[in-house]
Amino acid sequence: QVQLQESGPGLVKPSQTLSLTCTVSGGSISSGGYYWTWIRQHPVRGLEWMGYVYFTGTTYYKPSLKSRITISLDTTKNQFSLKLTSVTAADTAVYYCAREAQLGYLDYWGQGALVTVSS
Amino acid sequence: EIVLTQSPGTLSLSPGERATLSCRASQSISSSYLAWYQQKPGQAPRLLIYATSSRATGIPDRFSGSGSGTDFSLTISRLEPEDFAVYYCQQNGAFGQGTKVEIK
Repeated sequence: QVQLQESGPGLVKPSQTLSLTCTVSGGSISSGGYYWTWIRQHPVRGLEWMGYVYFTGTTYYKPSLKSRITISLDTTKNQFSLKLTSVTAADTAVYYCAREAQLGYLDYWGQGALVTVSS
Repeated sequence: EIVLTQSPGTLSLSPGERATLSCRASQSISSSYLAWYQQKPGQAPRLLIYATSSRATGIPDRFSGSGSGTDFSLTISRLEPEDFAVYYCQQNGAFGQGTKVEIK
């Protein structure tokens, strides 16, 4: 059974960088066949797919976030990470990491991490 | 960019009743890429259906999906108490805004 767990600061100041890590257990992120994805959920705006990293290191980001987002892999720790720069209050959300299949569905999710952007 | 519109926003039903949720895409999409999720308060979304009509592992057969082109639906044949939740459709990088199924 694949399990994912987000970790990172729950409070980030405006203009700073949001950093989260997703630790994967029960499966290897290096084995291929799946994308490792970040999604966030705003209280009002709903679910937003942010981007993914493949085991090769290839990434794809939502175009509107492309200038601020980096998703990377650490295969030695079986983790992948999210960095979002220049955050504002609009980036306050619950952030989820998930495994994404080739057909685009998200079959395993972390429990979510609330990140608040506030001074 | 594809936009997914779900209707109704809220569905008020009683246990045992049938629920039909709609998801409309702004342009025709491949049925291979349409998925449905259930989310309960304080929990992550849970995959129910992928590729329009395939049930995910462990999902009861009272959940079924159908559709093609721009119109897709999720049907819950007989609502159980644990089925009252918010449901989302998804196609690649787009999510619908959700339908809340509440107890009448």
